[in-house]
Amino acid sequence: DTEVTQTPKHLVMGMTNKKSLKCEQHMGHRAMYWYKQKAKKPPELMFVYSYEKLSINESVPSRFSPECPNSSLLNLHLHALQPEDSALYLCASSSRQGLGGYTFGSGTRLTVV
Amino acid sequence: GEDVEQSLFLSVREGDSSVINCTYTDSSSTYLYWYKQEPGAGLQLLTYIFSNMDMKQDQRLTVLLNKKDKHLSLRIADTQTGDSAIYFCAESDTGGSYIPTFGRGTSLIVHP
Repeated sequence: DTEVTQTPKHLVMGMTNKKSLKCEQHMGHRAMYWYKQKAKKPPELMFVYSYEKLSINESVPSRFSPECPNSSLLNLHLHALQPEDSALYLCASSSRQGLGGYTFGSGTRLTVV
Repeated sequence: GEDVEQSLFLSVREGDSSVINCTYTDSSSTYLYWYKQEPGAGLQLLTYIFSNMDMKQDQRLTVLLNKKDKHLSLRIADTQTGDSAIYFCAESDTGGSYIPTFGRGTSLIVHP
């Protein structure tokens, strides 16, 4: 299995909702990442997990809460989002330190209304 | 800080070669990457090159690195309409956090 699987593919949520994005990989990668991508822009790093521990938080607002339940799963819990949080959310994984590049999922297209 | 620059658009005719260029500023960049993003999809790693290499070839893709000028290029031979996508250049530095810095992406449009 050489894929990163993200669910759901599309999500529409109101500003008072709580929802979660899920990401799964079975490549034995021990680093996993959340990125946010706006249209026509490069992906922006949000969080990095290394060996299931949060190693980097790029000053992301607390309405985004990551979780890594085990080495194959990564979640992003969403609460009280704003319309400007609408974007494509990408999960990625890599072997240690990612020097051979990242494997990205196909993303969750999030719309906040 | 680190900076990666790319031109925003490139238009080519099907069957021609495409050359996408990238410049970077971090002199300690060790790994340089090319990713492809098709509409509605995630990023796909196409190839990467280590900074002690000048060239890497993989089927229709050729990567050239000029470390002195901090210039990276991706050549796609016999460009097809399926190559239409956004191409991101990225660099990572083994002396730092290893997290890649991405360029803004070059939108490649292939005309029949």
